[in-house]
Amino acid sequence: NAGVTQTPKFQVLKTGQSMTLQCAQDMNHNSMYWYRQDPGMGLRLIYYSASEGTTDKGEVPNGYNVSRLNKREFSLRLESAAPSQTSVYFCASSDAFGQPQHFGDGTRLSIL
Amino acid sequence: AQSVAQPEDQVNVAEGNPLTVKCTYSVSGNPYLFWYVQYPNRGLQFLLKYITGDNLVKGSYGFEAEFNKSQTSFHLKKPSALVSDSALYFCAVRTGANNLFFGTGTRLTVIP
Repeated sequence: NAGVTQTPKFQVLKTGQSMTLQCAQDMNHNSMYWYRQDPGMGLRLIYYSASEGTTDKGEVPNGYNVSRLNKREFSLRLESAAPSQTSVYFCASSDAFGQPQHFGDGTRLSIL
Repeated sequence: AQSVAQPEDQVNVAEGNPLTVKCTYSVSGNPYLFWYVQYPNRGLQFLLKYITGDNLVKGSYGFEAEFNKSQTSFHLKKPSALVSDSALYFCAVRTGANNLFFGTGTRLTVIP
């Protein structure tokens, strides 16, 4: 079982470019999440989708948008990348909302 | 507001010795407490959780955690450390339907 799959694993962008981070889970989970991890800090929630068809802002949503395409897929979009968005991004999923169970291996994003 | 603190950035322990990774929390209601582990270049893995009931919670890989309401702590423990336990450990807390708030992490190094 693949679990939670994130693509790409690495990406370098220039300031102002846009890109979409992809996430898919094969566990039929209802809830999905996007976190960012920065050095010396815990994971911070960007957006979440408690169930298919719904999305909501988390702790640090500014500069991001999300789409819950279907039950499996939850994408994160940076419309105009900024250096402050340099981070490692993790997608996660869970049966019940509020407790991410399975995480992807992350997307390491650098914005120059 | 809810928060969680991991007072030690780094914990070193000899292989075979017991280990403790500390976590304290601050919440306005009854806490749901979690521990996750992160290996290099991987996403977080769920270890255990406390929702209610027995204060001693057993989790994956031989880890356990003790909930102490009077000290607002939820320390992670293992009776005998393995070199393979070396990783980054995160404590997290939530109340009700809110999302998880993560600590800043504790790097555990088990010395052979």
